[in-house]
Amino acid sequence: QSALTQPPSASGSPGQSVTISCTGTSSDVGGYNYVSWYQQHPGKAPKLMIYEVSKRPSGVPDRFSGSKSGNTASLTVSGLQAEDEADYYCSSYAGSNNFEVFGTGTKVTVL
Amino acid sequence: QVQLQESGPGLVKPSQTLSLTCTVSGGSISSGSYYWSWIRQPAGKGLEWIGRIYTSGSTNYNPSLKSRVTISVDTSKNQFSLKLSSVTAADTAVYYCARSPGRGYSGYDYWGQGTLVTVSS
Repeated sequence: QSALTQPPSASGSPGQSVTISCTGTSSDVGGYNYVSWYQQHPGKAPKLMIYEVSKRPSGVPDRFSGSKSGNTASLTVSGLQAEDEADYYCSSYAGSNNFEVFGTGTKVTVL
Repeated sequence: QVQLQESGPGLVKPSQTLSLTCTVSGGSISSGSYYWSWIRQPAGKGLEWIGRIYTSGSTNYNPSLKSRVTISVDTSKNQFSLKLSSVTAADTAVYYCARSPGRGYSGYDYWGQGTLVTVSS
């Protein structure tokens, strides 16, 4: 099972929006509405930002939103803030044989 | 507030077995409907799912690691554990334990801080 494909980097100025893609196959992203997104600051554990494609856990700002089209999921961060600078990882359920696969990760830089 | 804490040796010799424990506090590991997972991250690289155990004791493993992984739970100690056999340098990573609610497909809502395990002679 290959990792989901994410762009290595993305950037935006404060207040702008940035969208990160997460491309898989019909066996993972495209086959299930079980895509999650995580934010990871250096030296810290990942933090759940989005689950089930577009749902936000309690406490996550509504500046973070998720969507999916076909085999590609996306995370959009609106109104970029300095504290949004971090690595972001997607993950997807991949069926009863593979269970879960993570993305390659995207480093978001706030210019 | 649920908290998870990994513990175990930080250095393991090649060909030996890596053993880690995750202690859960702030709630019973056997109450509710949760999956308890292990995830690892080599330095500077992405996340890799290792496997999970349900509160009933049923397990699922990453097919690429399945032959070397065992995850178990000790409800009396509110802990679950990871054993990874025949380790090589490629198993050097930060190892995280994490919790996933419900059917286990809806993300990991609580994570341990992570523990670095280095495989070296």
